[in-house]
This record gives sequence, C-alpha cells and structure tokens, in this order.
Amino acid sequence: SQQGEEDPQALSIQEGENATMNCSYKTSINNLQWYRQNSGRGLVHLILIRSNEREKHSGRLRVTLDTSKKSSSLLITASRAADTASYFCATDRNAGGTSYGKLTFGQGTILTVHP
Amino acid sequence: EPEVTQTPSHQVTQMGQEVILRCVPISNHLYFYWYRQILGQKVEFLVSFYNNEISEKSEIFDDQFSVERPDGSNFTLKIRSTKLEDSAMYFCARAGAIAKNIQYFGAGTRLSVL
Repeated sequence: SQQGEEDPQALSIQEGENATMNCSYKTSINNLQWYRQNSGRGLVHLILIRSNEREKHSGRLRVTLDTSKKSSSLLITASRAADTASYFCATDRNAGGTSYGKLTFGQGTILTVHP
Repeated sequence: EPEVTQTPSHQVTQMGQEVILRCVPISNHLYFYWYRQILGQKVEFLVSFYNNEISEKSEIFDDQFSVERPDGSNFTLKIRSTKLEDSAMYFCARAGAIAKNIQYFGAGTRLSVL
C-alpha cells in the first residue's frame, strides 16, 4: 500500500453520530494533516498534527497520531449533513531547509451524513 | 487564509494541443504547488515552486510539463502536448504565510482531453 492510506473507503452515518476515519503511512513524517474535499471542489485544510504530538482538537474534530504504528485517526463528533465530503490525510516528509515539500495524499474516505 | 484563484474552471482541449492553467495567488507568497487528481483517484503531487524556481517535482512531471511565474503574480502550469491520460482536476496550492507547512488550495481546473 502507499503512503497515506485511509480506511474505511466509505462511511455512511446518521446526523448526530460520530465518524472515525483512519490513515496509515509508511515513512517517517514531520507532520500529518487532514483535508476535506466537497464534491468537485478544492481541498480545505482541517487540522495539522506534528510528529511529536499525540492528540489535537479543533472544534468537533479530534486527531490522534501514533508514530510507532504509523497511523492517525480523525474523529468528527456530532456529525452534521454538511460534513458530507471526502476526507484525506496527507503527510509531509520534508526534511527541513528553506523549502516546504510536497504533501502525499491518501485515497480518502467518502463520508456521507444522512439528515 | 484565503485560497488561490484558478482559471479556467474547466478546459476542454484536443489531444496534442497545448494548455496553460493559471493560478493567481496573493502576492508575497513564495511557495507554490501543483497537484492533479484523476477522477476517482488520489491527489498526486506534480511540482513545487519556491522563489521562482522548481524545488521538487514528481515522476509525473515530465518534459511535457512546465511551470513559471512570468509576471511575478500568475503561476502557470503548461502541458505542451496533451494526452488523453492528462484529463484530471489540476489544483494549485500555496503555502501559508505563517504556517508554511499548511497548503491552501484553489478550486481546481478540470482538464478534459478529447
């Protein structure tokens, strides 16, 4: 499998439920980010977690990172119909210096929240 | 932070034709990126551009592709001789002014090669 693989590939839940998406990666990283993409639109940055962090919160989002397992999870609590979108994890392997490197994206999880 | 603006939103071209996709970032930003997303597939990195030079490119970014920032504002991706397999969404992104490892994406250009 490739860097940044998410599971499940698709998730369908009812409004108010929590949604959990997982991401695994293969190489060492500087940080891991989660992006959201509405159908036919660009990617919107949601949250970034650094390699030395284990958990981070932002509103209804909670991200965990386990570097020993090379995995991350994104939890959306109290989901809303408007959360319906594709969610991608992306890893940044840049080693530093003056440039900021590419993001490597996973396949994404398609989340559908039914009202 | 505001996103970048991409034009056109949809480009239809014949195989073998040249296309230029444009990205209009806010001035004073130094780090830019192009990604593409073939329908139903993951977003793939093409090239990063820093201080008016390519800093990194993927194996996808072959001699058919080029990038430039000719007038200090617009950031362009040129595909010299399009192939059917170039059909995809092309996204421009810029790094954040403060958090440079966060990237802000445009809405994309849908390229259809016929």
